[in-house]
Amino acid sequence: QVQLVQSGAEVKKPGASVKVSCKASGYTFTTYYMHWVRQAPGQGLEWVGMIHPSDGTTNYAQRFQGRVTVTRDTSTSTIYMDLGSLRSEDTAVYYCVRDRFAFDVWGQGTMVTVSS
Amino acid sequence: DIVMTQTPLSSPVTLGQPASISCRSSQSLVHSDGNTYLSWLQQRPGQPPRLLIYKISNRLSGVPDRFSGSGAGTDFTLKISRVEAEDVGVYYCMQATQPLWSFGPGTKLEIK
Repeated sequence: QVQLVQSGAEVKKPGASVKVSCKASGYTFTTYYMHWVRQAPGQGLEWVGMIHPSDGTTNYAQRFQGRVTVTRDTSTSTIYMDLGSLRSEDTAVYYCVRDRFAFDVWGQGTMVTVSS
Repeated sequence: DIVMTQTPLSSPVTLGQPASISCRSSQSLVHSDGNTYLSWLQQRPGQPPRLLIYKISNRLSGVPDRFSGSGAGTDFTLKISRVEAEDVGVYYCMQATQPLWSFGPGTKLEIK
């Protein structure tokens, strides 16, 4: 079955970077866009960025421009989100999502905590 | 950027009664290809979101038929014909018409 499995929880200090991974299985990895969406504690959903796995094309939400990089490794069907210059407001659950005809498959989420 | 709004933000409902959530976009969601990329997601407590409906009114396989979506242009509605206990959670509309995807603030559905 189609699955997105994310890496484990992270605790980082302000100013540091975090890299979260998301491994896809059960379908042809290069076919569909993949996105990162985050959710701060008790808050709503916020789109972070996306990648097309076939050619590596990316697009990012303006507020994260310059701080986030999304990459992929087609040999392992994995996408990555690298978020730098972390601040306390980046504390959130980060989800990877497949975009087949909408956001149809979600990863389990990765909790990133930024704390001194 | 397209801004999504939802009303109400909280909806107490009696089991077995209908519920309705409205979603409005700041610009038309009709894409140049003729499709309208408006989806509805459900997030149960402690779980990732789950896609219910895409392109306004198409239910994902496995989604109960008590869920229905309608609307056009900038105004959309999610209806639950008879609320069940498992429907408790937060419902989000989202747009994918512009290449900067965005979500509504969410509507919390709870049982009276």
